[in-house]
Formats: sequence, structure tokens, C-alpha cells
Amino acid sequence: GIQVEQSPPDLILQEGANSTLRCNFSDSVNNLQWFHQNPWGQLINLFYIPSGTKQNGRLSATTVATERYSLLYISSSQTTDSGVYFCAVRSGSARQLTFGSGTQLTVLP
Amino acid sequence: EAGVTQSPTHLIKTRGQQATLRCSPISGHTSVYWYQQALGLGLQFLLWYDEGEERNRGNFPPRFSGRQFPNYSSELNVNALELEDSALYLCASSPTAGGEFFGPGTRLTVL
Repeated sequence: GIQVEQSPPDLILQEGANSTLRCNFSDSVNNLQWFHQNPWGQLINLFYIPSGTKQNGRLSATTVATERYSLLYISSSQTTDSGVYFCAVRSGSARQLTFGSGTQLTVLP
Repeated sequence: EAGVTQSPTHLIKTRGQQATLRCSPISGHTSVYWYQQALGLGLQFLLWYDEGEERNRGNFPPRFSGRQFPNYSSELNVNALELEDSALYLCASSPTAGGEFFGPGTRLTVL
């Protein structure tokens, strides 16, 4: 099956700093999503981005499908951005998502 | 538009018992997915239901089963509970094309 790798595994920032999270995948994908898992465990949709670039406020994402990676940018980070960020992909005929292991982001005040 | 809902929020069982978890998808979504997030093991795909049929299952034993009802809501049943079944169980729904949307999860604790 497809492999999904996220880096870095842990990231600690001061409030106001910018960050870039990376997701590499081992095969072509027809769906790629970024999620933020809140402290209560719910996965919050950030982006549905199988290719191209999208922006939503301080967050933006870029997927380069031909090179099999996606990047999530967080600008002017806030303490509420803390949590785990997951990349998940859907590949081939599979309809379910395969998740990366996540990036644990901690934003310090 | 209401999101994906799950019940109960928390569930405490003892080894050997059965657990039933419930999920209601977003209106208009026909596919329901179940995932398990156990400590240290990441998010693992469990089951996919679409139009009332089980379409795919992950690498889990048969004591993990479920069904999808005519209104597209779904149940996940876990029989003969083991300690390692303690986890957050997440349900997601999706339309025919597009991304998945997740519910708040059910936290199952097996004592």
C-alpha cells in the first residue's frame, strides 16, 4: 500500500513565527487532505488539495502531485494552532484514507 | 448543515464484553468510514460502508464488524473486547467525490 511520511515529527515555535510542514507519499494520489486534531481528538478539515495551491487565512497548502509531496504553511502562528497535524491520502481504487504519523506542533506564548 | 455525529462520547467496558458505537453522516453523504486511533499506533482504517454494503475493511480481526442502515447511519460493533481495543474511534463520511469529514469520536476504554 501507499506510504505517507510527515516531517518534522515535532515542532516547537514561539507565537508569531511561521512554519512549514511536509508530507511525502510513495504513489500517485487522487485525494490529499490536511487535518488538525484538536485536544479532544476531533479531526478538523484544513484542506482538500490533491493538487495545486489553496489558502485559508493564515494557512496555505501546496501539493505537487508529480513530485509526490505536499506542504502546509502556517504563518503568524498562535497558541491555538497547537496540536497534531495530519496529512492523509487516497490512492488508486481505495476509497479510505491512509494517514501519515503526524506533526506535533507546540506554539509557545 | 450538521456535521458527522457520533455516540457515545465515552464508553467504558470490561474485557470480553461487546461495544457498540454509532455514527450519523452528513446529510447527502452515502459513504461512512471507521478509523481507530490507538495510543502509539496512529490512525488505522477499519471499515468502509457505502449504500448499505461493506466495501472494504482494514487489517482487523472479524470481531470488529458493523453495518450501515437505510438512512446511511452506521454502527461499529466490537465483540470479545481486549485491553488493546482501548482507543479513539473516529467515523467519517464523504460524498461520492471529495474529501472525508470526521465526527468527534468515541473514546473506548477497556478495563
